[in-house]
Amino acid sequence: GQSLEQPSEVTAVEGAIVQINCTYQTSGFYGLSWYQQHDGGAPTFLSYNALDGLEETGRFSSFLSRSDSYGYLLLQELQMKDSASYFCAAASGSARQLTFGSGTQLTVLP
Amino acid sequence: SQTIHQWPATLVQPVGSPLSLECTVEGTSNPNLYWYRQAAGRGLQLLFYSVGIGQISSEVPQNLSASRPQDRQFILSSKKLLLSDSGFYLCAYPQGAGNTIYFGEGSWLTVV
Repeated sequence: GQSLEQPSEVTAVEGAIVQINCTYQTSGFYGLSWYQQHDGGAPTFLSYNALDGLEETGRFSSFLSRSDSYGYLLLQELQMKDSASYFCAAASGSARQLTFGSGTQLTVLP
Repeated sequence: SQTIHQWPATLVQPVGSPLSLECTVEGTSNPNLYWYRQAAGRGLQLLFYSVGIGQISSEVPQNLSASRPQDRQFILSSKKLLLSDSGFYLCAYPQGAGNTIYFGEGSWLTVV
C-alpha cells in the first residue's frame, strides 16, 4: 500500500519561514505533489517534484529526495492568508492516482 | 482550457436514501477521472478512478458505486446512504505534464 506521513499542525508568525515535511512509502512512485486547502474549499495544486531537488514558485518551494523518500514544502514570507491545510500526495499505479497524506494544518499568527 | 464541474454543491439526505453526484470535464477528451472523499478534518481518500468509458476501478469497498457513461462524465452513486457516507466529495482529473490532478468545487454531503 501507499502511505505518506506529515505533521498534523504547524504554527508560525507572519513574515516567517515554515517547512512542512513529508515522508512516503509507495510502490511505483512517480513524483510528489503539494496541495493547499482552505476551510470549506477544494484542494488547489501548489507544486510538483518528479526529480530530486528544489522547485521554486514564488514564495513557495518544494523539495524532493527520492533516495530518502522525503520531501518538504517551504513557505516564505508567511501571510495570514497562508493559514490552511497542506497535503503532500504521491502518484503511483497504472492511472497515476494520487495518495494523500493526512494533511498539515498551518496557522499563521499576526 | 480545461474545466471541471460538480453538482450538487451541497445536499442533506436521510439514511437509506439514494445518492447521485455528477462530475463533468470540459476541454479534454478521455481523461482519467477520480472520486475522492474527505471526512471532516481528515485527509483525502481515493474512492474510484476511471481511465475510460465504462472502466471503473474501486479503491475502497463500500456501499458507493461509480459509473462513466460518457467520455467526460463521472457519476458517484449509492442505493442506500449510511451516516458514515457524510463528507466532502471531490471529483478530479489530471492536467498538464507531471502527475498532478485538479479538483472540482466539491459536493458536501450530510447524511441525517
